[in-house]
Amino acid sequence: GENVEQHPSTLSVQEGDSAVIKCTYSDSASNYFPWYKQELGKGPQLIIDIRSNVGEKKDQRIAVTLNKTAKHFSLHITETQPEDSAVYFCAASETSYDKVIFGPGTSLSVIP
Amino acid sequence: GAVVSQHPSRVICKSGTSVKIECRSLDFQATTMFWYRQFPKKSLMLMATSNEGSKATYEQGVEKDKFLINHASLTLSTLTVTSAHPEDSSFYICSAPVNEKLFFGSGTQLSVL
Repeated sequence: GENVEQHPSTLSVQEGDSAVIKCTYSDSASNYFPWYKQELGKGPQLIIDIRSNVGEKKDQRIAVTLNKTAKHFSLHITETQPEDSAVYFCAASETSYDKVIFGPGTSLSVIP
Repeated sequence: GAVVSQHPSRVICKSGTSVKIECRSLDFQATTMFWYRQFPKKSLMLMATSNEGSKATYEQGVEKDKFLINHASLTLSTLTVTSAHPEDSSFYICSAPVNEKLFFGSGTQLSVL
């Protein structure tokens, strides 16, 4: 089955700096890679996703890249703000209608 | 706004009782929903795939008689934790795919005393 690894487990950045979170996956059949932000006591919030037919996608301060050959994908947050502080999860599945397997998460702290 | 509604957000029960958690899709039909479990400071672990009109598909190691899933309509899936024990205390979250994206409910914090 699919296995998703994620690094780093914790990340602290100064406000205004960039944050990068990297993930790898094992199943070459995976084609859908969502990223979620989770605040304490709340459900995960979808922030961006990417599919295997695209190498990069950007939405304002957030960007994702995908290297399907290497089975790597990354989340980039620019101009970080204190409200970006949360736990971020990468995930992988064949499609959005199939079961999604999550990485272990990255706790991001943005220091004012 | 939220596309997946989950209730209750928090429940405290006595050991041995059963607890039902509801997951509703808002303004869309969901033939499939997913149930996850999350321990403090840990990742989300898939428990089962809920299929409308048929039996749920459980992940390895998940007791189907302990965690009963019913998906009786295209907008509602329920998870019932039967004969709950303290070790069942956890954060339970449902999700449903819509418009080729997967959205999650707000989660249910279950505490078994």
